[in-house]
Amino acid sequence: AQTVTQSQPEMSVQEAETVTLSCTYDTSESNYYLFWYKQPPSRQMILVIRQEAYKQQNATENRFSVNFQKAAKSFSLKISDSQLGDTAMYFCAFRGSNYKLTFGKGTLLTVNP
Amino acid sequence: EPEVTQTPSHQVTQMGQEVILRCVPISNHLYFYWYRQILGQKVEFLVSFYNNEISEKSEIFDDQFSVERPDGSNFTLKIRSTKLEDSAMYFCASSATGLAGGIAIDNEQFFGPGTRLTVL
Repeated sequence: AQTVTQSQPEMSVQEAETVTLSCTYDTSESNYYLFWYKQPPSRQMILVIRQEAYKQQNATENRFSVNFQKAAKSFSLKISDSQLGDTAMYFCAFRGSNYKLTFGKGTLLTVNP
Repeated sequence: EPEVTQTPSHQVTQMGQEVILRCVPISNHLYFYWYRQILGQKVEFLVSFYNNEISEKSEIFDDQFSVERPDGSNFTLKIRSTKLEDSAMYFCASSATGLAGGIAIDNEQFFGPGTRLTVL
């Protein structure tokens, strides 16, 4: 079974600064996808970024980028130029050869003005 | 932009009562999912559904739970006899495709806004 671990329950960052959220996972599969989801206070689940395991290039979406280290089974999220609207719970998620998403416990990110 | 919708947004029920949570997936999607999130905890997979049958279910999805696609648009989750520990946020999700050649292909799961279930 796959597991996803987020070791930082809470983090804070000053507006306009950069923050990195950590995620590690465990799997025996070679083909899989990794995701970061954002959950603001409204509790809506919003996809931030995704990474295909077979791609060596790290995914980037505007201010969001990942550092995917397949051998280390690490998938961290970097948020550049943090904005107040980035305040949310961030979940790392894994999807393997079946359909389901396996989530980590989440990191609560607070962006301070 | 198409989106997954869920009703109601908040459901309050008495322990032992049946509840039905409703979801309308994105119209051309074929794979449907239910997840739940107990307050303060991580999101957990409950069940996936394709071609009018369950594809996979978790250990949480016991005999008290059932899913149905009663028509061409709705996807429902029924809890037959609710317990206090069923109180959670329930998320429906859908995706366009699932497997190709035995490998999960790139298919984003779009989540609905969730239904908050409170069991008293």
